[in-house]
Amino acid sequence: GAVVSQHPSWVICKSGTSVKIECRSLDFQATTMFWYRQFPKQSLMLMATSNEGSKATYEQGVEKDKFLINHASLTLSTLTVTSAHPEDSSFYICSARSRDGTSNYGYTFGSGTRLTVV
Amino acid sequence: KQEVTQIPAALSVPEGENLVLNCSFTDSAIYNLQWFRQDPGKGLTSLLLIQSSQREQTSGRLNASLDKSSGRSTLYIAASQPGDSATYLCAVSAGYSTLTFGKGTMLLVSP
Repeated sequence: GAVVSQHPSWVICKSGTSVKIECRSLDFQATTMFWYRQFPKQSLMLMATSNEGSKATYEQGVEKDKFLINHASLTLSTLTVTSAHPEDSSFYICSARSRDGTSNYGYTFGSGTRLTVV
Repeated sequence: KQEVTQIPAALSVPEGENLVLNCSFTDSAIYNLQWFRQDPGKGLTSLLLIQSSQREQTSGRLNASLDKSSGRSTLYIAASQPGDSATYLCAVSAGYSTLTFGKGTMLLVSP
């Protein structure tokens, strides 16, 4: 089946620094990837849609200058949290739309990245 | 705007019980519905994917049904095991768009 690899799985950074998270589709091409954020005991909230070769589409309330998204190839999207602050500490998960072996589309998720800003 | 509701929010059962998790959505114009499992601190694992034209999907001890007209889906877990303990998320998509998630059902199966 489709596999999405996300790295790192966890990261601790100092306040004011930037952190990059990678999301790769391993055995399929993904023209579109999605970035979510999840707070403790909450469901996933979509942050942005990453489009290969073009600008990302951000959800309302998400700062595009703070959460930089780059989708330079059909298998890689990156999320950079710039000038991180403690309130950015969260669980970030990416996903890509993939086929289930037929013509049906579903979504495959990465394993997530736990970001802690100190 | 699509809204997805999952009931119950939490469920605790003894090992061996059959159980049902419920999911409802407000807009029946969906492309598909997907059930996921999430273990603490981990990403999401897809369990079952049901296209809007389908009524149900089965995988091992899991069976998911979809009643699109009434905006409901159920996930049936047979002969539950402690390893089934996790949060189960229901999500719907409309066409080539992202998913709308419910808040999940936290399941605990005790030995």
